[in-house]
Amino acid sequence: EADIYQTPRYLVIGTGKKITLECSQTMGHDKMYWYQQDPGMELHLIHYSYGVNSTEKGDLSSESTVSRIRTEHFPLTLESARPSHTSQYLCASSEYTRLSTDTQYFGPGTRLTVL
Amino acid sequence: GQQLNQSPQSMFIQEGEDVSMNCTSSSIFNTWLWYKQDPGEGPVLLIALYKAGELTSNGRLTAQFGITRKDSFLNISASIPSDVGIYFCAGLSSRGGSNYKLTFGKGTLLTVNP
Repeated sequence: EADIYQTPRYLVIGTGKKITLECSQTMGHDKMYWYQQDPGMELHLIHYSYGVNSTEKGDLSSESTVSRIRTEHFPLTLESARPSHTSQYLCASSEYTRLSTDTQYFGPGTRLTVL
Repeated sequence: GQQLNQSPQSMFIQEGEDVSMNCTSSSIFNTWLWYKQDPGEGPVLLIALYKAGELTSNGRLTAQFGITRKDSFLNISASIPSDVGIYFCAGLSSRGGSNYKLTFGKGTLLTVNP
């Protein structure tokens, strides 16, 4: 069982609001990731981090930003939310080992709705 | 970019039946992973496959890492109603060093009729 947490689980907000989605993991993993997923669709990587003070953009362009000040914490921020940002946001973490390569474990997700 | 072709897209079966789904790609992967996702939840890892040809079981689930490293299948035996959900295959490929990229299939929606 992976120990990775996301808050809030559900968020409904108005257009133009600034929001931060929280993600924390207690496994000491160096690597963390944010994915965006529309209902019933595949997952798209929007941000990843290989360690503290390291962040990279993923394969899907996103207006969100991330920070990695602490190993266990990888928050995602939207400065001005729009209806097009409505989606499910999934956080994941991993740790490379020779046995398990870089297997990723996911949090429960945040379902964001922007009105 | 890398793509995974996952099939079937959806399945409707009766409780007790066996299920098989697979993923293929034109690219080679170092690791194959199978996840299950319930509505409104994050994907949960079911099985991880680390070596070409590897066959691994987890209860009623069995998965294999294709010998060419370009495909994998997942079988579920004697399905039960709680097997309902979306099953995703995912492949890990190297970005360099100890860093890997995870590519997902589009998912198989499984419905089990009691």
